[in-house]
Amino acid sequence: ELKVEQNPLFLSMQEGKNYTIYCNYSTTSDRLYWYRQDPGKSLESLFVLLSNGAVKQEGRLMASLDTKARLSTLHITAAVHDLSATYFCAVGSGTYKYIFGTGTRLKVLA
Amino acid sequence: DAGVIQSPRHEVTEMGQEVTLRCKPISGHNSLFWYRQTMMRGLELLIYFNNNVPIDDSGMPEDRFSAKMPNASFSTLKIQPSEPRDSAVYFCATRSGGLYGYTFGSGTRLTVV
Repeated sequence: ELKVEQNPLFLSMQEGKNYTIYCNYSTTSDRLYWYRQDPGKSLESLFVLLSNGAVKQEGRLMASLDTKARLSTLHITAAVHDLSATYFCAVGSGTYKYIFGTGTRLKVLA
Repeated sequence: DAGVIQSPRHEVTEMGQEVTLRCKPISGHNSLFWYRQTMMRGLELLIYFNNNVPIDDSGMPEDRFSAKMPNASFSTLKIQPSEPRDSAVYFCATRSGGLYGYTFGSGTRLTVV
């Protein structure tokens, strides 16, 4: 059974700093998504990663995938307050479903 | 495209009452998923459908929970009788297949008192 682990669970960082969120998964998968959730809101898709070495970037966020290590990273560059949210990775399992990580609650301090 | 539409947005009910949550998927999305989110347990997959057929309901916590998808444009999640520990945000998500990810609805915040 596919297991997905994220770390850290909580992250408090200063504006302008860089940091990385890690997503490890236990079995082979052909797709991985990153989602963002603002407090009290729904989940919004950020990136899809489909192949080994895939890298996607939007603004201050960059996601990458290493399928051999079963690891995806979400790197934050020069954090700003607007990035404060909870970030989830979701790994494809079988034909239909995704298994979600525990989420990383990010707080960017001014 | 109005996205995935869930109703109600908020529901407060007394213990023992029946609760029905509703979801209208995006047209053309043939897979539908019900998730429950709590602080303690995170996002839990309850049940999912493909082409209106339930594929896996192993995440449904108890017999008090049931879900139906009578047609491609409507699904319900019912809790009968409800208990305080059912309090959570319930999300409906749909996808169109292949390598596409989910589109989530806005969720229903359920409080059972």
